[in-house]
Amino acid sequence: DAKTTQPNSMESNEEEPVHLPCNHSTISGTDYIHWYRQLPSQGPEYVIHGLTSNVNNRMASLAIAEDRKSSTLILHRATLRDAAVYYCIRGQGGSEKLVFGKGTKLTVNP
Amino acid sequence: DGGITQSPKYLFRKEGQNVTLSCEQNLNHDAMYWYRQDPGQGLRLIYYSQIVNDFQKGDIAEGYSVSREKKESFPLTVTSAQKNPTAFYLCASGHNYSPLHFGNGTRLTVT
Repeated sequence: DAKTTQPNSMESNEEEPVHLPCNHSTISGTDYIHWYRQLPSQGPEYVIHGLTSNVNNRMASLAIAEDRKSSTLILHRATLRDAAVYYCIRGQGGSEKLVFGKGTKLTVNP
Repeated sequence: DGGITQSPKYLFRKEGQNVTLSCEQNLNHDAMYWYRQDPGQGLRLIYYSQIVNDFQKGDIAEGYSVSREKKESFPLTVTSAQKNPTAFYLCASGHNYSPLHFGNGTRLTVT
């Protein structure tokens, strides 16, 4: 049970913003929201995580709904290198087992 | 450079043979994990270890075994009891609330 819901796939054009949604309606008060992405034939890599407030880093922004039942990963300007499967996960973090669902496959068109 | 090393990248075995996949980390992380990924699917947890000399079964542990004798190492053995061993295997490590670090995986093919 991945405990989050994401669309199977999304498509974007290069240099346009991308908003990847995630539903986690049963999230507990202490669970963080983590995003990882996986390029073909590679291991997942960390993108961003947050608890309540919106978060920004060099890769992306994370917008968390006020009720924490959903969140959105924002890639401000998609590049071809952003084409990957994006996983939204809820959990504590590094020493807790994280459950990965099927994620959202993002296709970026040139 | 700190990181996780999985070897080999590709592994081929005959049915009925046990095979051991290597995972080494130099990040000084306490926790280590093994995941299995089938084509078009997400990651499923096989085993995890939060401290040396201790490990727990994940969601699909049947047919697999692990050991955690050193903090840096968490080898996974795919035994002949695993009915569908062909898959992409990913090792990860983590510490407290920091993000997981993944290796680049071992693609195992059993014929």
